[in-house]
Amino acid sequence: DAGVIQSPRHEVTEMGQEVTLRCKPISGHDYLFWYRQTMMRGLELLIYFNNNVPIDDSGMPEDRFSAKMPNASFSTLKIQPSEPRDSAVYFCASSFDRGLNEQYFGPGTRLTVT
Amino acid sequence: GEDVEQSLFLSVREGDSSVINCTYTDSSSTYLYWYKQEPGAGLQLLTYIFSNMDMKQDQRLTVLLNKKDKHLSLRIADTQTGDSAIYFCAESIGAGGGNKLTFGTGTQLKVEL
Repeated sequence: DAGVIQSPRHEVTEMGQEVTLRCKPISGHDYLFWYRQTMMRGLELLIYFNNNVPIDDSGMPEDRFSAKMPNASFSTLKIQPSEPRDSAVYFCASSFDRGLNEQYFGPGTRLTVT
Repeated sequence: GEDVEQSLFLSVREGDSSVINCTYTDSSSTYLYWYKQEPGAGLQLLTYIFSNMDMKQDQRLTVLLNKKDKHLSLRIADTQTGDSAIYFCAESIGAGGGNKLTFGTGTQLKVEL
């Protein structure tokens, strides 16, 4: 398996623009997580899904952020409109629903909003 | 709330041992984890310990768990420059939490020659 795949790896956009980040989890994994990492706030869980259903979105900062998982192999995180304070590295991770519950992280998308 | 705390930085000389400490909050955690993040990459599971264990050794890595004090540590023996990274401890949030983990703030380990 290729692991968790995220695209794009880097995104530079202007304030006010819509940004869509994409994630393909590892095949067969039941859970999918979106995290944001910044120097100031560290690693924050934004939202996670179980079997494509959003379970906990309490970490989503505000209504400008939305996430979807239309099927087991694809998820998106959308920011509309984007703001400079959204600049961060966004990670997607997936895991099995059994045993060790190890989370497998993607390489991340580095977002810069100017 | 759930706070997992770590010191932010640790600097050691190559060949020395490194000890990274963590305090966690949820006494019902089943597993406790150490993840490693290398520059420009995502987190990767380094090792873990089951909550009914006190110690786990895996090659150069030793994990110690003190459940009474909710204290977790990671010791890296013979630290190498390739060990320079950010290390995160994490706990599962207990029953009903699914696979959700609470991560610490991360400790940046710098290995000097």
